Amino acid sequence: AQKITQTQPGMFVQEKEAVTLDCTYDTSDPSYGLFWYKQPSSGEMIFLIYQGSYDQQNATEGRYSLNFQKARKSANLVISASQLGDSAMYFCAMREAEAGNKLTFGGGTRVLVKP
Amino acid sequence: GAGVSQSPRYKVAKRGQDVALRCDPISGHVSLFWYQQALGQGPEFLTYFQNEAQLDKSGLPSDRFFAERPEGSVSTLKIQRTQQEDSAVYLCASSLHGGYYSGNTIYFGEGSWLTVV
Repeated sequence: AQKITQTQPGMFVQEKEAVTLDCTYDTSDPSYGLFWYKQPSSGEMIFLIYQGSYDQQNATEGRYSLNFQKARKSANLVISASQLGDSAMYFCAMREAEAGNKLTFGGGTRVLVKP
Repeated sequence: GAGVSQSPRYKVAKRGQDVALRCDPISGHVSLFWYQQALGQGPEFLTYFQNEAQLDKSGLPSDRFFAERPEGSVSTLKIQRTQQEDSAVYLCASSLHGGYYSGNTIYFGEGSWLTVV
């Protein structure tokens, strides 16, 4: 089974609007962390936001927020007030305590912001 | 620089040629990772170092792939007798801590784009 599933291969969003990127995960490990990365065409993976499995509140970092629904095993990324520079691939990833230090990534969602 | 640095950025290799990809992690980072990313897909884990020790090499696809980090800083990923299916972006990443710590952010380099012809 896929550890991380991103069901939206591509999305268009109007500049200044909000967009939600879906991510569901599969783990039996009670201790894990969820991450979102942005990958522009240059190729670098840019860390955006992190949510720990024991965190009580949803994570926020500037225009990024993570809608963490533990029972549903989902960790959706919300980007508010989209900007043209937000056009990129977005990857959800998970680190599990039992798997050590490595991240497991989903297949990604391509976002294109329209002016 | 302050980030993870990789070289070369682009490499074209003839099938059967050996290649070496270099990674300079963020200074002081204990953990170092190599990932392989095929076109249009998410990165796939290859191997992990904690200082100079290679603790996990479960993702290396074949014995043609070899990685080392002899002094616990710079790492080299070597691919012997390259095949066309090795064409991918090879991402290096580092993090401050070793071992599992859920909030231990992993920082990536820009990748080495390998094309095997």
